Amino acid sequence: GAGVSQSPSNKVTEKGKDVELRCDPISGHTALYWYRQSLGQGLEFLIYFQGNSAPDKSGLPSDRFSAERTGGSVSTLTIQRTQQEDSAVYLCASRSGGEQGSDTIYFGEGSWLTVV
Amino acid sequence: AQSVTQLGSHVSVSEGALVLLRCNYSSSVPPYLFWYVQYPNQGLQLLLKYTSAATLVKGINGFEAEFKKSETSFHLTKPSAHMSDAAEYFCAVNSWTEKLTFGTGTRLTIIP
Repeated sequence: GAGVSQSPSNKVTEKGKDVELRCDPISGHTALYWYRQSLGQGLEFLIYFQGNSAPDKSGLPSDRFSAERTGGSVSTLTIQRTQQEDSAVYLCASRSGGEQGSDTIYFGEGSWLTVV
Repeated sequence: AQSVTQLGSHVSVSEGALVLLRCNYSSSVPPYLFWYVQYPNQGLQLLLKYTSAATLVKGINGFEAEFKKSETSFHLTKPSAHMSDAAEYFCAVNSWTEKLTFGTGTRLTIIP
């Protein structure tokens, strides 16, 4: 697609339920990121995929959070047993190229998650 | 480790006045620096980036930023604010050793 696509755009779930958030990066982009933006907060890094390398999971806040990237393209962020503090906007981003840090990172519109 | 500090979580300027949003970085290797803008209920959009070419970088919507190594700064400016500039602005640092790290953001309000 033309840009990074995320779904669902909005999700309301009950506390304790599992949720899956999907990200479809820009075609050909090898790097994919997940960030979380809570109300009034900055952007918190969650996880980073680069090609076939092992993902950098250092930002995942707990073992309830996991992510996978299938076929080097689409990624799914899964939150198990959701808690109210998980309510946030989950942003996915992608960039082209290898390890070069100067590449532009393109963001999706985000998935707004509300846990009630 | 790398980090970014944005001074001022909220900045208000009058329409037509100079916009100055401050960003200081810390990085143990040569950094790449970015400014992103987030309009209400939207994702992040790249305004401009510094990639070690020219130290004065021009971006979209009339914004520019100057990389000053001696001051470890990358402040964002615009000579004349427009109402449409009201948004949240994020400074970010990246390097070949680490992932993109954001500041906490500055919310810009334009006073008519």
